[in-house]
Amino acid sequence: GAGVSQSPSNKVTEKGKDVELRCDPISGHTALYWYRQSLGQGLEFLIYFQGNSAPDKSGLPSDRFSAERTGGSVSTLTIQRTQQEDSAVYLCASSLRQTTNQPQHFGDGTRLSIL
Amino acid sequence: DQQVKQNSPSLSVQEGRISILNCDYTNSMFDYFLWYKKYPAEGPTFLISISSIKDKNEDGRFTVFLNKSAKHLSLHIVPSQPGDSAVYFCAAIGLGGADGLTFGKGTHLIIQP
Repeated sequence: GAGVSQSPSNKVTEKGKDVELRCDPISGHTALYWYRQSLGQGLEFLIYFQGNSAPDKSGLPSDRFSAERTGGSVSTLTIQRTQQEDSAVYLCASSLRQTTNQPQHFGDGTRLSIL
Repeated sequence: DQQVKQNSPSLSVQEGRISILNCDYTNSMFDYFLWYKKYPAEGPTFLISISSIKDKNEDGRFTVFLNKSAKHLSLHIVPSQPGDSAVYFCAAIGLGGADGLTFGKGTHLIIQP
């Protein structure tokens, strides 16, 4: 398909385990964004990449969260030592380039449940 | 502090009539505004956008209006169809896009047959 692809679609894991979430953006899109939506909350911006670079990581909720992007394409969001409050839907979006007048297109998200 | 507000959690409209969804924002640095539609268990789908230099953008049944002085935007859907039933999110982003999209909490639009 031509859209943003995220995997896994669902992930259930025990508290304290590490998880890795994957995002495959639309081909040719240089900007990539991660968001999360906790239960009953709005969408919260986490981090963006322009190419392989993430200039500002201050939106990540804690130092247990990290993200990387290689080859200007696939990105992974890693959560170490997961906590129950990490349970949420993690959404990835991409846009043609990192300027304001380009809409972001979203994947269907990874629903993460921490037991 | 909510920078993007959608004050109506839900809206019910009769099929064929106009649906008007409203959004207010507080950050004058926002430069680009978007509307997304979301079905359960799916990601948001981009609908329509508007740059701060314009006051109207139209795409088929969807029109977005921007009133910068009032920091208000609205989405008009006419005529409303049953498939339009979904949650609609207003979003905004500043110049450069470095801070990602700021979303409202959404309005659940229900189209009544």
